[in-house]
Amino acid sequence: DAGVIQSPRHEVTEMGQEVTLRCKPISGHNSLFWYRQTMMRGLELLIYFNNNVPIDDSGMPEDRFSAKMPNASFSTLKIQPSEPRDSAVYFCASSWRRAGANVLTFGAGSRLTVL
Amino acid sequence: AQKVTQAQTEISVVEKEDVTLDCVYETRDTTYYLFWYKQPPSGELVFLIRRNSFDEQNEISGRYSWNFQKSTSSFNFTITASQVVDSAVYFCALSGEETSGSRLTFGEGTQLTVNP
Repeated sequence: DAGVIQSPRHEVTEMGQEVTLRCKPISGHNSLFWYRQTMMRGLELLIYFNNNVPIDDSGMPEDRFSAKMPNASFSTLKIQPSEPRDSAVYFCASSWRRAGANVLTFGAGSRLTVL
Repeated sequence: AQKVTQAQTEISVVEKEDVTLDCVYETRDTTYYLFWYKQPPSGELVFLIRRNSFDEQNEISGRYSWNFQKSTSSFNFTITASQVVDSAVYFCALSGEETSGSRLTFGEGTQLTVNP
């Protein structure tokens, strides 16, 4: 299995531009998570999906952030418009959700720099 | 609310020394799971171990061992005979069945540097 695949690995953009991060979870996993990592706030959960349905988006910073999961093999995290404070590493993770079995497998991350 | 505290921000040791990374957690769930992840300089997060709240047996895997003590809400991680390749940021994490489902709450991480 190729693991969780994220793209792009690096993105540099200017303030105000739209950013789209992509994630392909592990085949067969039914839960998908978006985390953000910064020096100031550490690893924080933005949103997670079970069976393609958003379950908890309370971690999404504001309306500029949106996430979709149109099918079991693809998810996007969009920031529009982007701001310098959005600079971070964004991780996607997936797991097979059943009672007690919730080991998250993480992708390599997308490093976003907003100038 | 759930919380994970890793009081040690940075630890520096010399190769072959033993090192223990501390993790203290808070949760109101009766069923919960504790994890350790490793983040090497390359940046990915690598799963190391998961324990559930009903299993307090210590676990050993090669040079790694974990000490889970419910009485002190701690889940400490020891590396024996450390090696340079162990240099990484190590995260302790918690998932509570009742309050958080599959979500992981991470600690702040401990940067371990193993010097040759």
